Amino acid sequence: RKEVEQDPGPFNVPEGATVAFNCTYSNSASQSFFWYRQDCRKEPKLLMSVYSSGNEDGRFTAQLNRASQYISLLIRDSKLSDSATYLCVAGMGNYGQNFVFGPGTRLSVLP
Amino acid sequence: DADVTQTPRNRITKTGKRIMLECSQTKGHDRMYWYRQDPGLGLRLIYYSFDVKDINKGEISDGYSVSRQAQAKFSLSLESAIPNQTALYFCATTNKNNEQFFGPGTRLTVL
Repeated sequence: RKEVEQDPGPFNVPEGATVAFNCTYSNSASQSFFWYRQDCRKEPKLLMSVYSSGNEDGRFTAQLNRASQYISLLIRDSKLSDSATYLCVAGMGNYGQNFVFGPGTRLSVLP
Repeated sequence: DADVTQTPRNRITKTGKRIMLECSQTKGHDRMYWYRQDPGLGLRLIYYSFDVKDINKGEISDGYSVSRQAQAKFSLSLESAIPNQTALYFCATTNKNNEQFFGPGTRLTVL
């Protein structure tokens, strides 16, 4: 079993749609959680950190459920520019010495 | 200017050759990482370093070595390249909030 699992997609949605991505992690010692965005053949870029209380940044909302070891990302009012692969990351250790990346979920927002 | 740079950006080499990939950062972060990315597998950690005198193996360190020449520089070497080391390689730095910042990547092909 992979340490961090994601539905690979692709998710094909029309502009303006709301889309949700899920991620599960297997190591209960994980302490920090993130969503990264990666465009084709480019480097991953931090989208947002995920906090226990949940957090929102504009059209993006992230949730963490430690009991179920589950992380989610909600994108509202999808834009064409949201098309990318979204990577879920779980970090271990107080100093984040080990980050485990999920394989990513591909999103295509269609006109 | 980019905060994290990698050279070369693309490299084609032959089996058995020694290859060095270089990474430099201007973010002033102590922690630096090397990952490789293969289709469907996500990013996997090769080595990481918390300061100039600190080197740690990651998940897939066999066949690789690293050198942390200065706070700003972290190089990855393949002593004798083999075809299954063909991949996209990313260098990253990490801030105190465990947020990672990636270089643009090096696409390596081993024939």
